[in-house]
Amino acid sequence: AQSVAQPEDQVNVAEGNPLTVKCTYSVSGNPYLFWYVQYPNRGLQFLLKYITGDNLVKGSYGFEAEFNKSQTSFHLKKPSALVSDSALYFCAVRANTGGFKTIFGAGTRLFVKA
Amino acid sequence: NAGVTQTPKFQVLKTGQSMTLQCAQDMNHNSMYWYRQDPGMGLRLIYYSASEGTTDKGEVPNGYNVSRLNKREFSLRLESAAPSQTSVYFCASSKFWGSLTSGDNEQFFGPGTRLTVL
Repeated sequence: AQSVAQPEDQVNVAEGNPLTVKCTYSVSGNPYLFWYVQYPNRGLQFLLKYITGDNLVKGSYGFEAEFNKSQTSFHLKKPSALVSDSALYFCAVRANTGGFKTIFGAGTRLFVKA
Repeated sequence: NAGVTQTPKFQVLKTGQSMTLQCAQDMNHNSMYWYRQDPGMGLRLIYYSASEGTTDKGEVPNGYNVSRLNKREFSLRLESAAPSQTSVYFCASSKFWGSLTSGDNEQFFGPGTRLTVL
């Protein structure tokens, strides 16, 4: 069965420091992987995706994510955090076979302190 | 270009009442989705429509019905609301659903409807 795990409910980081939000997944076949961000009282907003090719993908607002097939992980990273990055982050996985449904993780709340 | 719009933004219902949540997208997307978001549980798919004229059950369809009215609009109906349906509901759309393309699967979300059932 398809699943995605975000092992940290919350990540705290100081402004200017690098940040990592973790995501691991389980899916049959090759995965499509996504990161979304949700600001308060808003819908989710697409950040980046991995479909195929280079394991390091770059997305909006300076975020990037690294696909690691052997560890079945797709961690979100940013070299220097901003206070405005504080939000709820969701990892999502979609199989490219079978039902094609996208499964979302439970979300990780990122707090960036000034 | 409004993207995905949802109405209403807020709603309070009494147990047993019915209501329809409306969703529309202006991006000419083929696929549309309804999710509910509950604390600590992420997003759970209620129903989806891979293309105009088709609808399918997601992870938590019980107590809900949907209608894909046309390519733009996808509504969610609660026939007899229950307190367990208190949640934030999001509509989303994407250009394509399945393996027709290698990409274009990212979803675009509406602002959400906060529903309370008393």
